[in-house]
Amino acid sequence: GENVGLHLPTLSVQEGDNSIINCAYSNSASDYFIWYKQESGKGPQFIIDIRSNMDKRQGQRVTVLLNKTVKHLSLQIAATQPGDSAVYFCAEITHNAGGTSYGKLTFGQGTILTVHP
Amino acid sequence: GAVVSQHPSWVICKSGTSVKIECRSLDFQATTMFWYRQFPKQSLMLMATSNEGSKATYEQGVEKDKFLINHASLTLSTLTVTSAHPEDSSFYICSANKGDSNQPQHFGDGTRLSIL
Repeated sequence: GENVGLHLPTLSVQEGDNSIINCAYSNSASDYFIWYKQESGKGPQFIIDIRSNMDKRQGQRVTVLLNKTVKHLSLQIAATQPGDSAVYFCAEITHNAGGTSYGKLTFGQGTILTVHP
Repeated sequence: GAVVSQHPSWVICKSGTSVKIECRSLDFQATTMFWYRQFPKQSLMLMATSNEGSKATYEQGVEKDKFLINHASLTLSTLTVTSAHPEDSSFYICSANKGDSNQPQHFGDGTRLSIL
């Protein structure tokens, strides 16, 4: 996604519900995607990643789905808890033809998730 | 636990002051570190890539003479905001790859810079 920045999208859910956070990425050549969680006043924290040769990956309570056809990434959080409240960013990395890069991340816009008890 | 440490976490200083921010990889060596800036309610914007033993690579629009980067060792990169002004007030965050570029970057907890 592009760093358009202003007025982050918001998602409000009730505790125990499932959350789905979406991200549109910009570069069809990107081959590695990461979801980060950022709490107020802190740096981003790694949640889960996925490579372009996969379309789904599961972690503990989180699932990432990748649709390369429409350049769309989603993060699903099961049984959302108040501690999940944060800003969530997707990020993409594009490697060159040799499969190497210095790992330059391009961050998406971010989504503010608020979980109500 | 944290793998990237950033210091200080918060700085308030007068306009015209130069401020140095340190980024350390705690239990690994990082030949490459990254510096980001984040304004309130916005995403992270990459400022520059810090390369150990060589010059940093700056993103378009980032003044290299304003934001001096030094990566003198495999565990330390510093960002110096020279002659800071109120418009430089922001949240500065560093990151490093624990492995190669096919691994996720780990981030420090950021430095809140406020210029009066």
